[in-house]
Amino acid sequence: SQTIHQWPATLVQPVGSPLSLECTVEGTSNPNLYWYRQAAGRGLQLLFYSVGIGQISSEVPQNLSASRPQDRQFILSSKKLLLSDSGFYLCAWSHGGANYGYTFGSGTRLTVV
Amino acid sequence: AQSVTQLGSHVSVSEGALVLLRCNYSSSVPPYLFWYVQYPNQGLQLLLKYTTGATLVKGINGFEAEFKKSETSFHLTKPSAHMSDAAEYFCAVIVSGGYQKVTFGTGTKLQVIP
Repeated sequence: SQTIHQWPATLVQPVGSPLSLECTVEGTSNPNLYWYRQAAGRGLQLLFYSVGIGQISSEVPQNLSASRPQDRQFILSSKKLLLSDSGFYLCAWSHGGANYGYTFGSGTRLTVV
Repeated sequence: AQSVTQLGSHVSVSEGALVLLRCNYSSSVPPYLFWYVQYPNQGLQLLLKYTTGATLVKGINGFEAEFKKSETSFHLTKPSAHMSDAAEYFCAVIVSGGYQKVTFGTGTKLQVIP
């Protein structure tokens, strides 16, 4: 069966520090991968998606970047965190077909102080 | 482009009462519709989905939703609320294209009062 792992679960980082969040999927190949951010009181905002290795699409201009160095690995990064980067970050994967929906990771709670 | 509107950011029901969470969508092509549930500090879990076929779909934990094309709605219901249903619920729509991209509603927090 397919599983998705996301870590760390919680993270407290000072302003200006770098960030690296990792997401891996097991039990499938060539998944579509997604990073979402969920800020307090707001819905889910799609940050990045990837349909293959090295292929990254950004949905909103921001202080973050994403990379996909391997088929089932998706990394969210920042060189210098801002206070506004605080939030709950969710990784998700899907098959190519639209009717499968997404499977989400357990999320990372990032607090920038 | 597709969009999703969830009416009511907070809904309170008594334990044992009917749960009704509203979702309306906008899409120029036949949509695929989903409901997800999120418990505090956890990821989203798929409750149910509508793709094609029967318009009344049943999901986990006793939830169901009905796709009504004429009303562009996909409301989530459960006959009798349980304390464990307290969570945030997200409606989502997908329109098939070159890649799969989901549009989520802003979520509805369900409070169950004992």
